[in-house]
Amino acid sequence: GAGVSQSPSNKVTEKGKDVELRCDPISGHTALYWYRQSLGQGLEFLIYFQGNSAPDKSGLPSDRFSAERTGGSVSTLTIQRTQQEDSAVYLCASSSPSLAAYEQYFGPGTRLTVT
Amino acid sequence: AQTVTQSQPEMSVQEAETVTLSCTYDTSESDYYLFWYKQPPSRQMILVIRQEAYKQQNATENRFSVNFQKAAKSFSLKISDSQLGDAAMYFCAYNDYKLSFGAGTTVTVRA
Repeated sequence: GAGVSQSPSNKVTEKGKDVELRCDPISGHTALYWYRQSLGQGLEFLIYFQGNSAPDKSGLPSDRFSAERTGGSVSTLTIQRTQQEDSAVYLCASSSPSLAAYEQYFGPGTRLTVT
Repeated sequence: AQTVTQSQPEMSVQEAETVTLSCTYDTSESDYYLFWYKQPPSRQMILVIRQEAYKQQNATENRFSVNFQKAAKSFSLKISDSQLGDAAMYFCAYNDYKLSFGAGTTVTVRA
């Protein structure tokens, strides 16, 4: 596709439920990133994929959070047993080493609300 | 993660006027990349301008330009001839394969 896409656009879930957020990067981009944007914490890095491997998971806030990437393309971020503090906008970005400044291109985000 | 500081939570500018957004960062690296991203209410983060640290020339993209002061670790964004569509939150970001963002500056454009 022309840009990074994410689904769903919005997700409302009850505390304790599991959720899956999906990201489709720009075709050919080998690097994929997840960030979280919340009022209290600003924009935070969560995890970085190069191909299907995740060399940097340092931003995942707890073991309730996990992510995978398959076929060097689509990525899924899973949050288990959601808590109210997980409410935030989850942004996905992709990049390629062929880009001069390794700039990242973002999707529109998924707004997660935990009730 | 590197520290990026945006000290102006909000800025207001009259349409057609100029506004400058401040950003400072902390790094021990000599080569790196800096970006300004725009986030309108639609939530989509849009890359506005990029600067490579080894280039002394300040980057320019149409009405957007930066003042990059490497020694001072300063990277300000100037928006010239402001338009209503420029209203958004602007984030300064440092790139060392993952982005470290400042807290953002909300820009309001007055008609």
